[in-house]
Amino acid sequence: DAGVTQSPTHLIKTRGQQVTLRCSPKSGHDTVSWYQQALGQGPQFIFQYYEEEERQRGNFPDRFSGHQFPNYSSELNVNALLLGDSALYLCASSPGWGGMNTEAFFGQGTRLTVV
Amino acid sequence: GNSVTQMEGPVTLSEEAFLTINCTYTATGYPSLFWYVQYPGEGLQLLLKATKADDKESNKGFEATYRKETTSFHLEKGSVQVSDSAVYFCALAKGAGTALIFGKGTTLSVSS
Repeated sequence: DAGVTQSPTHLIKTRGQQVTLRCSPKSGHDTVSWYQQALGQGPQFIFQYYEEEERQRGNFPDRFSGHQFPNYSSELNVNALLLGDSALYLCASSPGWGGMNTEAFFGQGTRLTVV
Repeated sequence: GNSVTQMEGPVTLSEEAFLTINCTYTATGYPSLFWYVQYPGEGLQLLLKATKADDKESNKGFEATYRKETTSFHLEKGSVQVSDSAVYFCALAKGAGTALIFGKGTTLSVSS
């Protein structure tokens, strides 16, 4: 089992550009969540997808959008990049929806640097 | 709103020392509480999970007890090793789904 895989591992973009990050969940998992981890901070919840719909959203602007595909993989899109978007972006997957007792498995993240 | 506060680091210990990292939370009702560990260059790994008051969880020598009366979930280990050097995050989850609210993290450095 490959676990949660994210691509790319590192990315450098210019301010104002758009970026797409990808995530494949752990086998058997159908819920995908995205988090932003700024340097020296804890991860901040961006949004969560289940059955190809956004189910929960954190306090992030509309520049952050996502998608989930029928095979449960997911993309995170960020438009009009700002320097402050530089961070480690983490994807987490879990089985099912609505269960507080389920464990979220994290990928190794994509390090985005905006210059 | 819901939030997690954990002690600021870095925490520097010698091998075999006792470890405590404090974590308190603010939330209504009964959230699930977690400790995650992040080794350098890696993602987060679940270390401990508690879903109800008075749950005492243990894993890899680490322990934490869900204390509703003090809204706390402190992490302890009786004898740390160099390999325990990492960043430790306390987190809570409440409501449908598994959206996690994290503390800022505590960096632990253990020297031999």
